[in-house]
Amino acid sequence: EAGVAQSPRYKIIEKRQSVAFWCNPISGHATLYWYQQILGQGPKLLIQFQNNGVVDDSQLPKDRFSAERLKGVDSTLKIQPAKLEDSAVYLCASSLRSFEQYFGPGTRLTVT
Amino acid sequence: AQKVTQAQTEISVVEKEDVTLDCVYETRDTTYYLFWYKQPPSGELVFLIRRNSFDEQNEISGRYSWNFQKSTSSFNFTITASQVVDSAVYFCALSDELDTGRRALTFGSGTRLQVQP
Repeated sequence: EAGVAQSPRYKIIEKRQSVAFWCNPISGHATLYWYQQILGQGPKLLIQFQNNGVVDDSQLPKDRFSAERLKGVDSTLKIQPAKLEDSAVYLCASSLRSFEQYFGPGTRLTVT
Repeated sequence: AQKVTQAQTEISVVEKEDVTLDCVYETRDTTYYLFWYKQPPSGELVFLIRRNSFDEQNEISGRYSWNFQKSTSSFNFTITASQVVDSAVYFCALSDELDTGRRALTFGSGTRLQVQP
């Protein structure tokens, strides 16, 4: 079974530029999550989707971050405009009916 | 609010030593799930175990064992006869507010384990 796919793996941008990350969850997994992991910290949830609906986006900085999951499968997370403090690894995870979340390899974003 | 504390920032052991990683959590819910994840240098988080709040049985899987004590709100992880491949950052995580449909994991800050040959 293929795992969670993410791209790109690495991205370097300048502050105030925009960037987008893509995630394809494990086939059949209805729930998809985006987490932000700052160096030296545990991941922090940004948004949770159930199929194509948002369940929890309480910690998403909505003035600059947006996410969508239009067909209930893959998802895109966008940052516009980026700030220096957005430098982090962005992790996508998915889950089925059970509570285990399976994570992708992440996208490491560096904002200069 | 929920919180997970991993007080040990970094642990260094010599191969074949046993090591225990501590995890203490806070939640107001009576139904919740606890997890351990491993993050090797490659960066991908690897699921190790899930335990629900009603199951306080200890679990053993090969060299790994977990001790869940509700009375002390702890969910500790022991690696027996550690190996160099165990070197990684280990995260404890909590999932509560289950009746809302929310499934977010609240992670601790992680414990970096270094196993020296």
